Amino acid sequence: QVQLQESGPGLVKPSGTLSLTCAVSGGSISSSNWWSWVRQPPGKGLEWIGEIYHSGSTNYNPSLKSRVTISVDKSKNQFSLKLSSVTAADTAVYYCARRRGAGYEYYMDVWGKGTTVTVSS
Amino acid sequence: DIQMTQSPSSLSASVGDRVTITCRASQSISSYLNWYQQKPGKAPKLLIFAASSLQSGVPSRFRGSGSGTDFTLTISRLQPEDFATYYCQQSYNTPPTFGGGTKVEIK
Repeated sequence: QVQLQESGPGLVKPSGTLSLTCAVSGGSISSSNWWSWVRQPPGKGLEWIGEIYHSGSTNYNPSLKSRVTISVDKSKNQFSLKLSSVTAADTAVYYCARRRGAGYEYYMDVWGKGTTVTVSS
Repeated sequence: DIQMTQSPSSLSASVGDRVTITCRASQSISSYLNWYQQKPGKAPKLLIFAASSLQSGVPSRFRGSGSGTDFTLTISRLQPEDFATYYCQQSYNTPPTFGGGTKVEIK
C-alpha cells in the first residue's frame, strides 16, 4: 500500500525558506491522485497548505499562496513544499497526504507521519 | 473560506458510552464532509468520507450523518482505542477547511 514519508530540516531561521520533501512508496505519484501538504501548529488544529497533481497543476491556500510553492519530481516519485519568509507562526508539524476522490467528493486517505519544523534563530 | 465549527471542543466519556460530535458549516456543503481521528503524536486517520461512507478498515461503531450545514459523528460504543481528537473537514470549496477538533477523553 502507498506510504508517505516527509523529510527536511527541523529548524529554519526567521525570514528563511522552509523546504520539505514527501517521498511516495508503494505506488506511483503519477496515479490519478492529488498530493497535499497540511500543517498543525503546536496544540492547534489542521490547516491545508496546498496540493499538486503529477502534471504539475497546483492549488494553494489563499492565506499562504504568496509564500508557497509545491513541486513534483516524477523521476524520484516525490513532491516538495517550499514556504518562504517564515516566521514563528509557521512552526508546526507538517504532513504530506494523498488526496483521493473527484469533483467535490475528495478526502485525504493516506498521510505521512509528519515532521516538526521550528522557526527560530 | 468555509468555516467549520465543531462542538463540543472536548468531552469526557466512559468505555461503552455512545458519543456524538457535531460539525456545522458556515454555508451548505451538501454531503462533502469528512471525519478524521487523530491520536497524540500521530497523523490524522480518515474515518468517514462524503458524510456517511465508512473508510475501509474502520470499525462499524463509527457512523457519520448529515447534509447541508449540520453533520454528526457518532461512536456507538466507545472503546479504549477511540480516545482521541476528531476533526471534520469540508471538501466543497477550496481551500478545504477543518473544524477545530473535539477531544474525547476518558471519564
